[in-house]
Amino acid sequence: EAQVTQNPRYLITVTGKKLTVTCSQNMNHEYMSWYRQDPGLGLRQIYYSMNVEVTDKGDVPEGYKVSRKEKRNFPLILESPSPNQTSLYFCASSPRTGSLYEQYFGPGTRLTVT
Amino acid sequence: DAKTTQPPSMDCAEGRAANLPCNHSTISGNEYVYWYRQIHSQGPQYIIHGLKNNETNEMASLIITEDRKSSTLILPHATLRDTAVYYCIVRVSYNNNDMRFGAGTRLTVKP
Repeated sequence: EAQVTQNPRYLITVTGKKLTVTCSQNMNHEYMSWYRQDPGLGLRQIYYSMNVEVTDKGDVPEGYKVSRKEKRNFPLILESPSPNQTSLYFCASSPRTGSLYEQYFGPGTRLTVT
Repeated sequence: DAKTTQPPSMDCAEGRAANLPCNHSTISGNEYVYWYRQIHSQGPQYIIHGLKNNETNEMASLIITEDRKSSTLILPHATLRDTAVYYCIVRVSYNNNDMRFGAGTRLTVKP
């Protein structure tokens, strides 16, 4: 089954403790991205990657890192999480860049930083 | 990207057609209209997209007015599982694929 998977689905952590949220897709998609969703603010893009070893900042990249060493994986790294990073996070992938192709979203990771 | 306007909420009876409007009066000639939906904190799900012709797939139909300033997403036989927030997005082709989701329309399908 074609899908985007994220792990963990739920995470409660403390300020400053480094964490990684994994994202993997099995569709051989070139493009992957991370969003966060907060009440009243909609989805905001954090980082995106157009292919292996190619990443760039989205609208809200501060406090996050990403890497794209393999086509299928795009982990999101919070080196020193803070409470304002408490949010619902979505990973997405699409066959290629450009609006002609739809994005497939993962199930989401609900992160709480205390 | 063009701004969109959608009603904040709508109700629909189960089994009836749900017609969700979207206004995008400032749309430019190379911008597509996309529809996604999000079922209670799940990942957004692509529904359909179009440029100027009407489109239909297994999930829905998209009707775009001739002047392209508005569109309507039609779910022909709404079920309770179609209860979700529906987002209308218009955008050109950018490298980053950023889909700017607004507030959307919360559709409630009632038995």
